[in-house]
Amino acid sequence: SQQGEEDPQALSIQEGENATMNCSYKTSINNLQWYRQNSGRGLVHLILIRSNEREKHSGRLRVTLDTSKKSSSLLITASRAADTASYFCATTGGAGNMLTFGGGTRLMVKP
Amino acid sequence: DTGVSQDPRHKITKRGQNVTFRCDPISEHNRLYWYRQTLGQGPEFLTYFQNEAQLEKSRLLSDRFSAERPKGSFSTLEIQRTEQGDSAMYLCASSPQGVRTEAFFGQGTRLTVV
Repeated sequence: SQQGEEDPQALSIQEGENATMNCSYKTSINNLQWYRQNSGRGLVHLILIRSNEREKHSGRLRVTLDTSKKSSSLLITASRAADTASYFCATTGGAGNMLTFGGGTRLMVKP
Repeated sequence: DTGVSQDPRHKITKRGQNVTFRCDPISEHNRLYWYRQTLGQGPEFLTYFQNEAQLEKSRLLSDRFSAERPKGSFSTLEIQRTEQGDSAMYLCASSPQGVRTEAFFGQGTRLTVV
C-alpha cells in the first residue's frame, strides 16, 4: 500500500517558474528520498534527507522535511522543459530499508 | 555500464503463460529489491534480498510469484500462470548495506498480459 499522499497529483508550469511538490507520510522513517521518473522508464534518485535533517539542497533542488507533521516538500527552481517527469517521494523504514512510495506528482514544464 | 540492468525491457505474453525476468544489480551492492508499478501509481514493494537470502516478501507476492538470487548476485522473478492483472512495470533496485543509503533502480521490465 502507498505510504501517503503527494500533492498536487499533477502540476503544469511555464519554463523558468518554480515547482513545489508536497508529500505526506504515516509512519516513522529512517530517511525520505525523492525520485524522478520519465515516462516508461526507471526511477532516478534525486536527493535523500535523513530523519534528523530539516533541509537539503542539490543544485536547483531544495527538499524540506518536517517529521512532526510527517511531511516533506520538493522545490525545483528555475524549471526547464527537461524537468517534465513524474516525481515520487519514498520513505524507508525497517531493517531492510524498503522504500514505500507515494502516488507521485506529474510535472509538466511548458517551453 | 555499472548501473542496475534488467532484461527484457518489454515482454508480451498470453494469459496462463509463465514469464521470467532478470535483474543484475550493481556488483558491490548486497541488497536487491523488486517492485511493481502499475500505470499512474507509485512503485509497490514486492520482495527483498540481502545477499542470497530472501528476507522479506510483500502480501502482493502471491504464490504464483517466485524470486531467487542464487549466488547473491543477479536475481530472477518468475510469474507462473500469468493473469491480466499482472500487467505492470517490474522494477529492480539495489543498494549497499545501511539505513541511510539510496537505492539505484534499473529501467524496468514492462509486462503486458493479453
